[in-house]
Amino acid sequence: AQSVTQLDSQVPVFEEAPVELRCNYSSSVSVYLFWYVQYPNQGLQLLLKYLSGSTLVKGINGFEAEFNKSQTSFHLRKPSVHISDTAEYFCAVSDLQGGSEKLVFGKGTKLTVNP
Amino acid sequence: NAGVTQTPKFQVLKTGQSMTLQCAQDMNHEYMSWYRQDPGMGLRLIHYSVGAGITDQGEVPNGYNVSRSTTEDFPLRLLSAAPSQTSVYFCASRSRTGGVTEAFFGQGTRLTVV
Repeated sequence: AQSVTQLDSQVPVFEEAPVELRCNYSSSVSVYLFWYVQYPNQGLQLLLKYLSGSTLVKGINGFEAEFNKSQTSFHLRKPSVHISDTAEYFCAVSDLQGGSEKLVFGKGTKLTVNP
Repeated sequence: NAGVTQTPKFQVLKTGQSMTLQCAQDMNHEYMSWYRQDPGMGLRLIHYSVGAGITDQGEVPNGYNVSRSTTEDFPLRLLSAAPSQTSVYFCASRSRTGGVTEAFFGQGTRLTVV
């Protein structure tokens, strides 16, 4: 079964600094990757997704992620963060092996952007 | 477009009480699922359904029941609430047509069992 590891539970950064949130998944032949964002007291919202094609994926709010099959990673990056980016970010993988179509989430990374 | 609607938003239960968390989607999605979110644990899959009449267990199914009589609705039942079920519950739906698609989430139900 697929598993997702988010290497940092909390990431504090200053406004306008770059940020990288790390995500690794267990190896699989067919894998589809997602990043979701959760603002306080809200549901999850899709930031970006990798299904196939270019390994660099651009999402909303200036975020991007790079799929690296050899390192089984899907790290999320933003070159300059804003206070409004303070939220919890979840990496997720959809494993179609066995036809289960389950979406498996990492434990989340809390990004705090300080002025 | 309402998307995924969960009710209630907040609920306090006493140990041993039962209740049903409601989830409805208006996107005609085949796949629906329930997750619970606990601090430091991420989202864990409770039950899921790939279509009306078909349900299956996820990672943490004990203490919960589901049914799927229509495409739109996927209620989650707690038969005898326990303090360990204090959590935030999210319902999600996905389309199964056109390949792999992202999940759409409701706003969550915050449940406290005392």
